[in-house]
Formats: sequence, structure tokens, C-alpha cells
Amino acid sequence: GAGVSQTPSNKVTEKGKYVELRCDPISGHTALYWYRQSLGQGPEFLIYFQGTGAADDSGLPNDRFFAVRPEGSVSTLKIQRTERGDSAVYLCASSLGTGDYEQYFGPGTRLTVT
Amino acid sequence: SQELEQSPQSLIVQEGKNLTINCTSSKTLYGLYWYKQKYGEGLIFLMMLQKGGEEKSHEKITAKLDEKKQQSSLHITASQPSHAGIYLCGAPLLTGGFKTIFGAGTRLFVKA
Repeated sequence: GAGVSQTPSNKVTEKGKYVELRCDPISGHTALYWYRQSLGQGPEFLIYFQGTGAADDSGLPNDRFFAVRPEGSVSTLKIQRTERGDSAVYLCASSLGTGDYEQYFGPGTRLTVT
Repeated sequence: SQELEQSPQSLIVQEGKNLTINCTSSKTLYGLYWYKQKYGEGLIFLMMLQKGGEEKSHEKITAKLDEKKQQSSLHITASQPSHAGIYLCGAPLLTGGFKTIFGAGTRLFVKA
């Protein structure tokens, strides 16, 4: 079956612009996670959803970052007024539940802010 | 806050040799995941450990969680070039939800 997909795979944008990153989880997975991975580091937790609601958004770095999952499936990570420091690979993962369930990761979106 | 520390940061081994990667938590773990990441790609799930003293194996990879649930090791027997990549340990945190943290990863290179 289809895994987690993310679009676009690469995004180059200018400083100050707005970007949207999309994640399509595995069908039936109720939990969805967003991470950010910088070069040489492990994934850094941003936010996770249980169904449509954001169960924990404590990892979002500031109010320029926002994520939605309106129908409990596809999720969009939105970044306003991008800064060069936002450049990273943004990873999405989904799982059947939380805690005891493995997370299935997408290939990521590489964001470059120039 | 809880952190996961991995060692070594990188490792170069000759094909056929055994190796061990460690992951240490600053606090008791609820559970511990091991993932593999190929350069420039997403993470692939290897194993999850939850009970103190638990050990799991998949092909030539064995992972263990110590009795105190604060340290895990990943052991690869007779390494092959296909084992090369970044190995990451991750852990769910019981902070009212299941926020997950990851270590910085161990970069494994296998020389043919």
C-alpha cells in the first residue's frame, strides 16, 4: 500500500515569503507528526495531531509556524515570513495511534530559504 | 527536559565486522525506537523496545533495552555495505500526549 507522501520534495523560497508543505499520511492512521531535521541532527519534534486536533504543538518554534489537519487526514504545515534559519528538511510521520505504535515517515520536504 | 544521547557520532567499520551503537536517556524511558535513515531520505522503522531487559532481533540487527530503561544498544553482526546509513534512537515522552524526541544519530560507514 501507499506510504506517507510529502509534497513538494524540494522548495526554494525567498526570505520573507510564505510556504505550505503538505503531508498525506497512510490511510487510517489517526496520529500525524511533523518534525524538522537540520543537517547532522536528529528530527526535532514540531507538532502532532490526534485526529483533527493538535494534541501537542509545543515544538513549533514561534508563531510564524502553523499546521492544520482539517479532516483528520492530510496535513499542511504553514510557515509565514520565512527566514534563512527555517531552511531544513521537514519530515512528516503517521501512526495508527500514539505511544506504542511505530511511526511511518515520509521522504521529507527540503526547504531552502534564500 | 529529557534528552537522548547517541554514541559514537560516527563509525567506520570493515565489512564483516560487528559493531554496537548506544543510546542513553537522561530519564527513564516509556519506550525506545530505533530507526535507520539513508542519506537524504526518510526514516525506516527497525524496532521498538518497551520492557526493561527486552531484546529484539531482525536479521543481523539486535537491539536491547537495559533493566532500568535508560539505555539501549543496537548491535549489528557481520556488517554489510547495505547497513550503512544513519541510525537514530527515538522515544515517546508522556507529557500529556506522546511527543517524540530523537537522538542526533550515529553515522555508520561500512568499507567493502
